[in-house]
Amino acid sequence: GAVVSQHPSWVICKSGTSVKIECRSLDFQATTMFWYRQFPKQSLMLMATSNEGSKATYEQGVEKDKFLINHASLTLSTLTVTSAHPEDSSFYICSARDLAGAEETQYFGPGTRLLVL
Amino acid sequence: GENVEQHPSTLSVQEGDSAVIKCTYSDSASNYFPWYKQELGKRPQLIIDIRSNVGEKKDQRIAVTLNKTAKHFSLHITETQPEDSAVYFCAATPRMDSSYKLIFGSGTRLLVRP
Repeated sequence: GAVVSQHPSWVICKSGTSVKIECRSLDFQATTMFWYRQFPKQSLMLMATSNEGSKATYEQGVEKDKFLINHASLTLSTLTVTSAHPEDSSFYICSARDLAGAEETQYFGPGTRLLVL
Repeated sequence: GENVEQHPSTLSVQEGDSAVIKCTYSDSASNYFPWYKQELGKRPQLIIDIRSNVGEKKDQRIAVTLNKTAKHFSLHITETQPEDSAVYFCAATPRMDSSYKLIFGSGTRLLVRP
């Protein structure tokens, strides 16, 4: 149980294009999902907290107009990197809290590796 | 906001020895402290967690201790094996909001030498 998937697993795009990443909780409902970014050999940096049916809460320094988050259902959140540039190349990981489980526990997706040329 | 510091950044031990990774946090109201293991290119995996009403928790070869007064918690791995080699992250949940977001430490790269 408690499986989180992400799609795509990797994507290569040209500078200036937009990329959408999906995060799904497969066997549980998640009112809250989180989006992280991880650069090589670095820690996970929280970008935003996504709540079903409401606007996402962004961490300080994260541009909300560049990283659009939509949490339309209890099992799906999407992150769109708009007008991507090479410095946006990173490993993007989502996590989800199980509505029915221990409230603090987060389950992570497998990550999406983004390369912007 | 919450700040989590982790050390050492790298740790090399001989197979069978113990490994200890330490973290400190700044928000005295934080009450949930998970530890994650991340292998190269993969997702973080929860290996153990502890809540602020408990001082120690053990799961086979892995244990976590928490000192709330010092705002300090540690991961202990005994009888290390080569497959324990990975990056380990500690985290804390600040209680300033109800989202239960996690603030991660900088990570420790553990190498277990056969």
